[in-house]
Amino acid sequence: AQSVTQLDSHVSVSEGTPVLLRCNYSSSYSPSLFWYVQHPNKGLQLLLKYTSAATLVKGINGFEAEFKKSETSFHLTKPSAHMSDAAEYFCVVGSSASKIIFGSGTRLSIRP
Amino acid sequence: DAGVIQSPRHEVTEMGQEVTLRCKPISGHNSLFWYRQTMMRGLELLIYFNNNVPIDDSGMPEDRFSAKMPNASFSTLKIQPSEPRDSAVYFCASSPREEGEGTQYFGPGTRLLVL
Repeated sequence: AQSVTQLDSHVSVSEGTPVLLRCNYSSSYSPSLFWYVQHPNKGLQLLLKYTSAATLVKGINGFEAEFKKSETSFHLTKPSAHMSDAAEYFCVVGSSASKIIFGSGTRLSIRP
Repeated sequence: DAGVIQSPRHEVTEMGQEVTLRCKPISGHNSLFWYRQTMMRGLELLIYFNNNVPIDDSGMPEDRFSAKMPNASFSTLKIQPSEPRDSAVYFCASSPREEGEGTQYFGPGTRLLVL
């Protein structure tokens, strides 16, 4: 069985400050992990994915995530937030033996 | 590539009417997914197809919902009869075999309002 938990439903940061969106997972298999972003009134877009290669994964728009097996975490970070980063972010877990599970989402707000 | 195409983009209908949502996946993708998104329930997987065959429809709410994929380039999601609680944004996504099912390309969604 597998599951994914996004620890914060809403995160608010000031423009130019770091972003941290937290995600914990549970999987009986070697997981694949993903982050998706959804801007208002848009479909979801893949930000980055981990598939058992390098544990630090770089994605689009300056985001990156680090796979930590010991902590069963896959947190999303960005060094400096931009107003255009305001969106909903979804952490996703999957494996070859089980279906894809989407987290409940974290809404990121950016203060000017 | 045009991406995943969904139609209509917006649909307003009255309770009891039949609603058909359409999706054209990205050419060459072998998996197709239908999702429903609401404020209350978040993003829910309704059904997914692999090579045009339904693999998992456990998320389909009830018999009022049905989905078909007659060929690799077209899928429909039908609600008959529709109810106000079906109001939501419905997303279609497709996935290429070489990237695995976790890598999904989403359409812009159909916003459905049932009065």
